Amino acid sequence: DQQVKQNSPSLSVQEGRISILNCDYTNSMFDYFLWYKKYPAEGPTFLISISSIKDKNEDGRFTVFLNKSAKHLSLHIVPSQPGDSAVYFCAASRNDYKLSFGAGTTVTVRA
Amino acid sequence: DGGITQSPKYLFRKEGQNVTLSCEQNLNHDAMYWYRQDPGQGLRLIYYSQIVNDFQKGDIAEGYSVSREKKESFPLTVTSAQKNPTAFYLCASKDGNYGYTFGSGTRLTVV
Repeated sequence: DQQVKQNSPSLSVQEGRISILNCDYTNSMFDYFLWYKKYPAEGPTFLISISSIKDKNEDGRFTVFLNKSAKHLSLHIVPSQPGDSAVYFCAASRNDYKLSFGAGTTVTVRA
Repeated sequence: DGGITQSPKYLFRKEGQNVTLSCEQNLNHDAMYWYRQDPGQGLRLIYYSQIVNDFQKGDIAEGYSVSREKKESFPLTVTSAQKNPTAFYLCASKDGNYGYTFGSGTRLTVV
């Protein structure tokens, strides 16, 4: 039973525009959420995270929004750059226990 | 530089053979994890260890075995009991917070 879902397998966006990636979760006990970026044949690298006590966290071009009542989070990338083309995984954790990952969204930034 | 080293990067296994994937970290992290990635799916947890000489099964442990004799090392053995071992395997470690660090992965192919 997948507890973290990324329903959009792919996203194509023009360079300079906003990329919005969505993630839904089912376990209300999750207290920490993370986004990872992954290039082919490499391990995921940490991008940004948010605690369940917050509803927004910003780091440069990346902002994560959390809506606990809807069990939904999103990642905004503004402006999108060609180097942002990668697979993005949403992950969630409960009590710093173990990470549950979504299936990933492949982002393609067009020049 | 501190990090996680996975070896080999590519591994081929014949039907019925056991193979061992290496994972070494010099980050002084207590916890280590093994994930498996299949196309179109998120990372699924195979085994994890929160301390030396102790480990627990993850969500898909059948056909796999691990050991944690040293803090730095967490090898994964893919046994002949694993019916569909072809996948991309990722090792990760974590410090006391949510700081997961991933290795660059091993791609295992059954021939």
